[in-house]
Amino acid sequence: NAGVTQTPKFQVLKTGQSMTLQCAQDMNHEYMSWYRQDPGMGLRLIHYSVGAGITDQGEVPNGYNVSRSTTEDFPLRLLSAAPSQTSVYFCASSGHRVDGYTFGSGTRLTVV
Amino acid sequence: KNEVEQSPQNLTAQEGEFITINCSYSVGISALHWLQQHPGGGIVSLFMLSSGKKKHGRLIATINIQEKHSSLHITASHPRDSAVYICAVRRGRASGGSQGNLIFGKGTKLSVKP
Repeated sequence: NAGVTQTPKFQVLKTGQSMTLQCAQDMNHEYMSWYRQDPGMGLRLIHYSVGAGITDQGEVPNGYNVSRSTTEDFPLRLLSAAPSQTSVYFCASSGHRVDGYTFGSGTRLTVV
Repeated sequence: KNEVEQSPQNLTAQEGEFITINCSYSVGISALHWLQQHPGGGIVSLFMLSSGKKKHGRLIATINIQEKHSSLHITASHPRDSAVYICAVRRGRASGGSQGNLIFGKGTKLSVKP
């Protein structure tokens, strides 16, 4: 089925560990983004990409890294996990400006 | 002050009631989105609006660009409508927006009792 595939669904990390959250879409969307969702707050933009080879920072980029080597994939890397990064992470993609957004199913990350 | 404000934060309704969720924003926008997030956590796009009104089944979304306000209505509500409804805006280029980036409200948690 066409859509956004996000893995893993759940992850527990120890402080200082690194990991990569995967996001892949098969709709040929040029725009992809990563958000985090914390209790009592709206989703906040971490990083985004408007096409292969192009990435930029969002509202809360510190501690995260991204790359966009292909149109399909947009992985999010946690360089050295901290408890403050405990959150639910969503990947989303969008095509032409008039399109809506398609969200991945989310990753619940706990850093202990 | 948040750029996107939703009201109410929480809403409890009886099955069959007409429901309205409001969204106000303070920036120039190119589009407004209504999203639904079920207890399982997944987020689904319901509507994208840049003007006027859209309808899909029992859901109706309206936007007033001049007043910077949008409403999401649910007619004949049902327990399966219980979810968090999220308003998000795409900032317009004149407001310094980058292509695609959304600003989210904090969501309205709706519970529909049978």
